Amino acid sequence: DVKVTQSSRYLVKRTGEKVFLECVQDMDHENMFWYRQDPGLGLRLIYFSYDVKMKEKGDIPEGYSVSREKKERFSLILESASTNQTSMYLCASSPPGYGSPLHFGNGTRLTVT
Amino acid sequence: DAKTTQPNSMESNEEEPVHLPCNHSTISGTDYIHWYRQLPSQGPEYVIHGLTSNVNNRMASLAIAEDRKSSTLILHRATLRDAAVYYCIPGNYGGSQGNLIFGKGTKLSVKP
Repeated sequence: DVKVTQSSRYLVKRTGEKVFLECVQDMDHENMFWYRQDPGLGLRLIYFSYDVKMKEKGDIPEGYSVSREKKERFSLILESASTNQTSMYLCASSPPGYGSPLHFGNGTRLTVT
Repeated sequence: DAKTTQPNSMESNEEEPVHLPCNHSTISGTDYIHWYRQLPSQGPEYVIHGLTSNVNNRMASLAIAEDRKSSTLILHRATLRDAAVYYCIPGNYGGSQGNLIFGKGTKLSVKP
């Protein structure tokens, strides 16, 4: 089974801090994604990457950046955390090809105070 | 992107079949129909997907209308573990296209 592991389940940070969310997958998938999930808004795509060192903006990239130095690892960076970035963050990976299923991690619940 | 309509919630009894409907009347000819589910406190989980023909896997069956404007996810014998939010997502993505649009889904409750 594919495993997508997010480094923290819960995280509490202060406004203005730089925050790193880490995601590792063990299936050699080319594609990796970061979403955030908020009540009433569903899942929204922040960034995705289809290869090492490649990145593409999703629907809501403002305030975030990403890093993909190795194929198995995709990091989401909040340059200066703000309270409106309090959310559930979900990482996913998939092989290439149309319709390839996404495999999600269990999420990191980030609270910015 | 195709717009979807799903019931907000549904209830089922354990060990009974469940039919979860989805309308996607604006689906394009090349869109797959994907179903994911999200159990409480977990990330979404892939269930099944199809293009035109009905599909079966170990988790569920997917029945797609002939005109492709609607589909039904079938859980043959619901268990308590099937209580989750089920998302129907038409889309044609892959490779460098990552935008899978999750709507509000259907919250399925399963009664013992």
